[in-house]
Amino acid sequence: ETGVTQSPTHLIKTRGQQVTLRCSSQSGHNTVSWYQQALGQGPQFIFQYYREEENGRGNFPPRFSGLQFPNYSSELNVNALELDDSALYLCASSLVEGANEQYFGPGTRLTVT
Amino acid sequence: GNSVTQMEGPVTLSEEAFLTINCTYTATGYPSLFWYVQYPGEGLQLLLKATKADDKGSNKGFEATYRKETTSFHLEKGSVQVSDSAVYFCALHSGGGADGLTFGKGTHLIIQP
Repeated sequence: ETGVTQSPTHLIKTRGQQVTLRCSSQSGHNTVSWYQQALGQGPQFIFQYYREEENGRGNFPPRFSGLQFPNYSSELNVNALELDDSALYLCASSLVEGANEQYFGPGTRLTVT
Repeated sequence: GNSVTQMEGPVTLSEEAFLTINCTYTATGYPSLFWYVQYPGEGLQLLLKATKADDKGSNKGFEATYRKETTSFHLEKGSVQVSDSAVYFCALHSGGGADGLTFGKGTHLIIQP
């Protein structure tokens, strides 16, 4: 059974740029959630995708957007990067919509300069 | 809204000591409760969970009991090892719709030989 994978591992961007982060869900999981983890903090829920549609969102602005593909892989896009967007971005997959047992990938460390 | 409060760290213990990490929560309805562990440079791993009042989750010698009357889910281990050094996160899922997990800020545990 393949776990959740994310790419890239690390990324450095400049303020104002756009970034795309990628995630492959655990085999058989059809729901993916994205979280932002600032240094020294717990993860914050960004949004969740189920059947290629966003069906839940945390307190993040619209410049955070996503996609889920038919093979259940997913992307997180962030436009107009700000310094405060520097964080570890975690992808988590689960078996069904709204399921509470989520399995996390290793994360992508984004640094905005 | 939902929230999770954990004891602040770092918590430093000697090997074979007894561990307690306190966690209390505020939530609507009947949430599921989780403990996740994060080792340096890695994503989150699900350690244990409990889905209803009085349930006890356990894994790798760690235990936590869902106490609805005190809205708590304290993590315990009878004899810690150096390899248990990590950051521990308490989290809840309200079970409603497509909400994400709500995490505490994490407790850094350091075990000295």
